[in-house]
Amino acid sequence: DAMVIQNPRYQVTQFGKPVTLSCSQTLNHNVMYWYQQKSSQAPKLLFHYYDKDFNNEADTPDNFQSRRPNTSFCFLDIRSPGLGDAAMYLCATSRGLAGKDTQYFGPGTRLTVL
Amino acid sequence: SQQGEEDPQALSIQEGENATMNCSYKTSINNLQWYRQNSGRGLVHLILIRSNEREKHSGRLRVTLDTSKKSSSLLITASRAADTASYFCATDAWNQFYFGTGTSLTVIP
Repeated sequence: DAMVIQNPRYQVTQFGKPVTLSCSQTLNHNVMYWYQQKSSQAPKLLFHYYDKDFNNEADTPDNFQSRRPNTSFCFLDIRSPGLGDAAMYLCATSRGLAGKDTQYFGPGTRLTVL
Repeated sequence: SQQGEEDPQALSIQEGENATMNCSYKTSINNLQWYRQNSGRGLVHLILIRSNEREKHSGRLRVTLDTSKKSSSLLITASRAADTASYFCATDAWNQFYFGTGTSLTVIP
């Protein structure tokens, strides 16, 4: 089945230790997104790729980086995780841009920072 | 911020009853979407309503949009225990896309 896959589902890292979260899709969608969602809050868009074009939200901290080596894969790198970065990280894809098209979400990766 | 505010924050109803949740936003939009999120999972798209539409139906879901009041409502009829989830509105305003704060719905069997 076509889907959005996130690995791992649960990630534990130490304060300041770099961590990479991965997302893959079999939908062949043009756009891939990374959201951060803290407990009982709305998902907050960090950045998105439209094909190879990277779009960073203005208030996304420099500590967060992303890579999209090909259509299917997108990575979220957190260079120096702080305690405040503990959250659920959601990857999503869409054929066109978010507001005009349905987004398909992965199950999320829950990040714990010790 | 364009982020929508949802009301109520939490809603608890008996199975079979209808559930209504509301979303208000701040600036003019191109369209508005509703998503559902089961606990600890990703979001699932429910429905998209464009700014020139006033009402849309999908199965047991009915969405209304009042652009003059900058508000939308999601009605779930004949609720089921499986409808227990958080529901988010999401607005598209000139390439700015934001999720609202969400309504947590509990349907009691």
